[in-house]
Amino acid sequence: ILNVEQSPQSLHVQEGDSTNFTCSFPSSNFYALHWYRWETAKSPEALFVMTLNGDEKKKGRISATLNTKEGYSYLYIKGSQPEDSATYLCAFTSGTYKYIFGTGTRLKVLA
Amino acid sequence: GAVVSQHPSRVICKSGTSVKIECRSLDFQATTMFWYRQFPKQSLMLMATSNEGSKATYEQGVEKDKFLINHASLTLSTLTVTSAHPEDSSFYICSATHPASRTHNEQFFGPGTRLTVL
Repeated sequence: ILNVEQSPQSLHVQEGDSTNFTCSFPSSNFYALHWYRWETAKSPEALFVMTLNGDEKKKGRISATLNTKEGYSYLYIKGSQPEDSATYLCAFTSGTYKYIFGTGTRLKVLA
Repeated sequence: GAVVSQHPSRVICKSGTSVKIECRSLDFQATTMFWYRQFPKQSLMLMATSNEGSKATYEQGVEKDKFLINHASLTLSTLTVTSAHPEDSSFYICSATHPASRTHNEQFFGPGTRLTVL
């Protein structure tokens, strides 16, 4: 059974703080790791698709790294803002269209 | 681009009734759409994969006679929960693959439907 875990489940940070969270996934049969940002009542928004070991991707204040050999990805948010408050999901794929999701990290940025 | 809509966003129904949820790709043609379900404090779980013009492929443990999926056009897939019961109460969300993103299997999601069965 393939398992994807995210930690922490939730966290609160102050505006301006930097933060990071983890997605752990099976290290075998890796194809891609997807990060999504999901605000309440909206569609999950694709942030990154990561495919190569050592990948680092950046979008504004958000960046992500990938280690396929040990099976983890980090998502970093620099200088958190209240609008960053959302649930951050990761999804692992092993070459098919089937996504295996983690339970998400719920971030609340306090003004 | 790559916008997926879902309707309704919330539905409450009586036990024994059937409920239809629509998933539409608004600005692209989606040959493949997916239906997920999320129970409280759990992850999104794939229920079925829907291909236009063919029968859906259901994941193990998902009853195909209970969760009817129709993908009649390249922009519309529907999920019908037949004879709904309280244990079917859940959050249902669809996604679609964009033809330009096929190399990375990227999926674009609708906003989801909260189903409550009384």
